Formats: sequence, C-alpha cells, structure tokens
Amino acid sequence: DIVMTQSPDSLAVSLGERATINCKSRQSVLYSSNNKNYLAWYQQRPGQPPKLLIYWASTRESGVPDRFSGSGSGTDFTLTISSLQAEDVAVYYCQQYYNSWTFGQGTKVEIK
Amino acid sequence: EVQLVESGGGLVQPGGSLKLSCAASGFTFSGSAMHWVRQASGKGLEWIGRIRTKANSYATAYAESVKGRFTISRDDSKNTAYLQMNSLKTEDTAVYYCIRQGQQLVFDYWGQGTLVTVSS
Repeated sequence: DIVMTQSPDSLAVSLGERATINCKSRQSVLYSSNNKNYLAWYQQRPGQPPKLLIYWASTRESGVPDRFSGSGSGTDFTLTISSLQAEDVAVYYCQQYYNSWTFGQGTKVEIK
Repeated sequence: EVQLVESGGGLVQPGGSLKLSCAASGFTFSGSAMHWVRQASGKGLEWIGRIRTKANSYATAYAESVKGRFTISRDDSKNTAYLQMNSLKTEDTAVYYCIRQGQQLVFDYWGQGTLVTVSS
C-alpha cells in the first residue's frame, strides 16, 4: 500500500487567513503515460461524511469555492485555503488512487 | 439527485456476522463502481473494498485488514450494493460508508454511513 502522511495533524488559523496542509506519499502517484497525479482531497465537517474537494491534485470538484486549491506533483502535495471561512472548520484528508486507495491520517483545521 | 443510503448496522458480538446494504438512486447504478470505507470513532478513513461493474466482471478488491472476512456484492436490478461482514472483531467497530466512484476515479458521492459496533 502507498502510505500517505499529512502535516500538520492540526492547525488553527484566523478567519480570512491562509491555511496550508501538506500531504506526502511514500511513492510517486504521478502516472507517466497521462501525466496525471492520482491525488484527491476531501473535507469532512463534524458529523458529516467526507466531501470531495479536489482530484488530479489540482482540479476543483464542481461547486467547490475557489478559495480551495491543490498543488504538487509526484510525492508532495498541498491543499491551500486562501481565506479561511467559518464553514471551513473540518478535517481534511488526502487520498491516493494510483494503486488501490489510501488516505492520509487527516488534518484538523480550526479557527484561531 | 444522487443518494446513497446505508442500512443494516447495529450491535454484533465478536465472531458474528452482519450484512450492510447501500441503496442507490439518482444515477445509473449499474454503470458505477462502488466502494466501502469505514471510520472508527474519532479516527481517520480506511478504505475497505470495491466492486466494479458488470462490464468489468463485477471484480472486487479488498483491504488486507478485511480480506477473507468481508465480501462486497451488488444487485443492479435493485440498485443496491452490499457488504457482508463475517468473523467480526472489536476493531471492526466503525461507521461504514458506501461510496460511488465517479468518472474521475475518485469518491464523488458518499452515504451518511451506518454504525457497526462489535462488542460482547
């Protein structure tokens, strides 16, 4: 299995400020034949199932606000919330789907 | 509107069995691979397994932690996926989510989950 490691485990950010979450895979999730990174990000608000935010490392799912962006390639990825809103309080997970499916351990985002 | 509704969760003793159902609506169920993911209380997400479509021979895949104990199946005529869980252990206690795999190979729709508690 491809192990996914997120950092930090939690972070507190002031409203309107930037939040950055990192995700590292133990092996590359970049498929050379199509040049796509098999990396997704999910948001799980308290008491809710996870929600897809981003796939192919940087493509926003329909309806996801543009303050959410994904970047990175190969083994290192980042989810950025450009201006934190109250409704963004959640746990965020990265997931690789290059070889089977595995999730990072999650990063809890709170308001400072 | 896509909907996935899990049912069948509950309390079961260690060593027991339970079968979860996932009723799907709002999309062409027969054309979508379906997955199960679980989440223990206060913990992260663990992928359990997947079943592909008829066109892909209903191929299944499982996490090592459940291989040989859990079986995923589907009935396209009923728009329902199933998770048969045998030889349950206390560490199988979790909320179990049913998920649709979308066109982009990711998990684009999730059910609300059903709680399975394995305890004596």
